[in-house]
Amino acid sequence: QKEVEQNSGPLSVPEGAIASLNCTYSDRGSQSFFWYRQYSGKSPELIMSIYSNGDKEDGRFTAQLNKASQYVSLLIRDSQPSDSATYLCAVSGYSTLTFGKGTMLLVSP
Amino acid sequence: GAGVSQSPSNKVTEKGKDVELRCDPISGHTALYWYRQSLGQGLEFLIYFQGNSAPDKSGLPSDRFSAERTGGSVSTLTIQRTQQEDSAVYLCASSRTSGGYNEQFFGPGTRLTVL
Repeated sequence: QKEVEQNSGPLSVPEGAIASLNCTYSDRGSQSFFWYRQYSGKSPELIMSIYSNGDKEDGRFTAQLNKASQYVSLLIRDSQPSDSATYLCAVSGYSTLTFGKGTMLLVSP
Repeated sequence: GAGVSQSPSNKVTEKGKDVELRCDPISGHTALYWYRQSLGQGLEFLIYFQGNSAPDKSGLPSDRFSAERTGGSVSTLTIQRTQQEDSAVYLCASSRTSGGYNEQFFGPGTRLTVL
């Protein structure tokens, strides 16, 4: 059974701070790793994908992957109240995605 | 279209009735997925279509659930004899292709309430 684990939170950070979200996964054969943002009452929105070890930066977002440790993280720099949402980690083997239950992020003004 | 579309956005039905949920994927995307999300729960994979290949039905929770995809595009998820535990948001996603590097894009979902 493939598992993806995330701390449910909430993770509370002040505006302007760095938010660090973490995820571990069980299947060593996983190839692709994704972060989705889900606002309350809305569907998940893809914000980052990462396929190889190391860091990938896109604007205020940085995804980090360590396959040896089976660990993925998402850093959000200069956090804004509009970043307040649930962040879902998703891991893909060949085709389907396995999702974590998400970490709720609260950014206070 | 610009994104994945789903209809209806909300569906309220009585226990025992059948329901059909529709998904229209992003144009050109060959892979289509159905998930459901219950209140406070994670996303649960239901079924996956890739082109004209036989679908991966491994996530369907019971034989009351079925899905089809016509012409490699629009998909319909059917739930027969609905039960209260079927109440959830049903999400459809599509990706350009299958395989490991498949970014999936979600539609707005259908919120199903079984009374």
